Amino acid sequence: GAVVSQHPSWVICKSGTSVKIECRSLDFQATTMFWYRQFPKQSLMLMATSNEGSKATYEQGVEKDKFLINHASLTLSTLTVTSAHPEDSSFYICSVQGQRAYEQYFGPGTRLTVT
Amino acid sequence: EDKVVQSPLSLVVHEGDTVTLNCSYEVTNFRSLLWYKQEKKAPTFLFMLTSSGIEKKSGRLSSILDKKELFSILNITATQTGDSAIYLCAVEPRYAGGTSYGKLTFGQGTILTVHP
Repeated sequence: GAVVSQHPSWVICKSGTSVKIECRSLDFQATTMFWYRQFPKQSLMLMATSNEGSKATYEQGVEKDKFLINHASLTLSTLTVTSAHPEDSSFYICSVQGQRAYEQYFGPGTRLTVT
Repeated sequence: EDKVVQSPLSLVVHEGDTVTLNCSYEVTNFRSLLWYKQEKKAPTFLFMLTSSGIEKKSGRLSSILDKKELFSILNITATQTGDSAIYLCAVEPRYAGGTSYGKLTFGQGTILTVHP
């Protein structure tokens, strides 16, 4: 399966600042990547689908101007949380869709804490 | 809107016990149901189920799907402390034209704690 990395693994930032999270597919050319967020003891909630070379598709209720996604290459997608607020504190996980539709490879996640 | 409900939400057992985790779903144009195990970080894939009545097994874990009643179960026999994790169930729809873009809807997860 694909090896997926995320950077940083954890980050603390102040309210009002922006934070960029990177998701890299290390050994697989990823046309499609997904971004999820997970609150403590809760499930993964899909935020958006990131397609290489085109605009991301956001799920209902996710503010696209707040969560900026850029999928500029087949190996890198970035999620930028703009004007972060404490309620944005969460665990953000990306995944890469494999060759077969049901294959999804998850990154290790990024824990964001906004103070 | 696709929906996945897991039960129980949490479960505490002792080593050697057998557990059954439940997952019910509603999805437009079902393609597959997947089970994941999540420890401290990213979920790891366990099973993918597409057909009713065919049990998938991997060691002490097994899973089966009932497409008529819209549910799946994940069984773990002879549990060990290393089985302690969140178990996530997700469904994948089939989109128009038979293609799927891999969008998964996850259930809330079942937190399994196995005591020595």
